[in-house]
Amino acid sequence: NAGVTQTPKFQVLKTGQSMTLQCAQDMNHEYMSWYRQDPGMGLRLIHYSVGAGITDQGEVPNGYNVSRSTTEDFPLRLLSAAPSQTSVYFCASSLTGGWPQHFGDGTRLSIL
Amino acid sequence: KQEVTQIPAALSVPEGENLVLNCSFTDSAIYNLQWFRQDPGKGLTSLLLIQSSQREQTSGRLNASLDKSSGRSTLYIAASQPGDSATYLCAVRPGTNAGKSTFGDGTTLTVKP
Repeated sequence: NAGVTQTPKFQVLKTGQSMTLQCAQDMNHEYMSWYRQDPGMGLRLIHYSVGAGITDQGEVPNGYNVSRSTTEDFPLRLLSAAPSQTSVYFCASSLTGGWPQHFGDGTRLSIL
Repeated sequence: KQEVTQIPAALSVPEGENLVLNCSFTDSAIYNLQWFRQDPGKGLTSLLLIQSSQREQTSGRLNASLDKSSGRSTLYIAASQPGDSATYLCAVRPGTNAGKSTFGDGTTLTVKP
């Protein structure tokens, strides 16, 4: 039982490049979320999903896309990377809204 | 818009002391509140989840309370140890859309031997 797995762990991009951050969970959780964490701050919600085929925007969605074609996977796409997107990205999942969130180890992303 | 505040931002205590971390939120219509621990450079570890109908939850030396009407939660740590040093974050889920969460900025705790 791996829990929530994020790949890659580290990535450096150039401004304007695109990439996909992967998130997979093996707990059959319905709810999944993407957050970013900037130095000295808490987590801000980017996008979330309450089930396969259903996604919605969080607090800071601009510049990011998501899709949820399966229960297990919730990839986050950066369309055209900008230095302001340099951050640590966390993926989380929970069975439903009434259950605890479980987090991956994060992806540390630098945009040059 | 829900806002979550954690005070103090940093706290340093000697080993063995009992301590309280605070979390306040502006919209009392929450579904639940969850406390997390984050070690430097690591992900978040869930500590306690309190549903909106509950007043407190306990796990070992940790006790979390919830006063929904006043928009406050506290995390009580008994007999603190150096291994408790970490950043503690609280997060609330709204009653109208439990898919969302709003986090506080955290309290960084240092327990000195």
